Amino acid sequence: QPQLVESGGGVVQPGRSLRLSCAASGFTFTAYSIHWVRQAPGKGLEWVAHIGYDGDNKFYADSVKGRFTISRDNSRKTVSLQMNNLRTDDTAVYYCARRYDTSRGNWFDPWGQGTLVTVSS
Amino acid sequence: QTVVTQEPSFSVSPGGTVTLTCGLSSGSVFSSNYPSWYQQTPGQAPRILMYSTSSRSSGVPDRFSGSILGNKAALTITGAQADDESDYYCVLYMGSGKWVFGGGTKLTVL
Repeated sequence: QPQLVESGGGVVQPGRSLRLSCAASGFTFTAYSIHWVRQAPGKGLEWVAHIGYDGDNKFYADSVKGRFTISRDNSRKTVSLQMNNLRTDDTAVYYCARRYDTSRGNWFDPWGQGTLVTVSS
Repeated sequence: QTVVTQEPSFSVSPGGTVTLTCGLSSGSVFSSNYPSWYQQTPGQAPRILMYSTSSRSSGVPDRFSGSILGNKAALTITGAQADDESDYYCVLYMGSGKWVFGGGTKLTVL
């Protein structure tokens, strides 16, 4: 059963850094791109970033570009999100999700359970 | 900055039919945006319902259907049930490796 588990969330002061991890199991990790999606308390989903299966292609939402860096370690089956210069509006539950690509289309599945990041002084 | 639009809320009676839409602040939604729909209940991660406009994910009841209506993607629930009461999100591929979620629709079944 494919599974993703996030870790690394916590409380951090504005301007500081935090690193999130997403550990994968139950599928061929190197065959899929992995995405980060966040959800501020009581708000909707926001796509944050994604990294291609080989780690060469990385894309970011404008709201995090230049502050967040996505990376992956295929030997450890993990994807990381390094978040620098955090702002209060980065407070959210951060989910990682696999993008499942087929000839019939593509979708995000599975999703992890999420990890909460709170940016507060 | 392109915004993906969804109705903030909708209400449907049990057994009724409701259509949720997913549009763009400028322009039309096409199949090349790979519209997909997700259901989320409080405290849970989103769950895939529909992908590539109209393909149901495995295990999703056939009362859920997807389409393009006019210039928007649409998710229709025919014969709504109480446990369909959830938040529904669409997401569109905007090119250049970027995806954008809609603001979500809170569906009430009563």
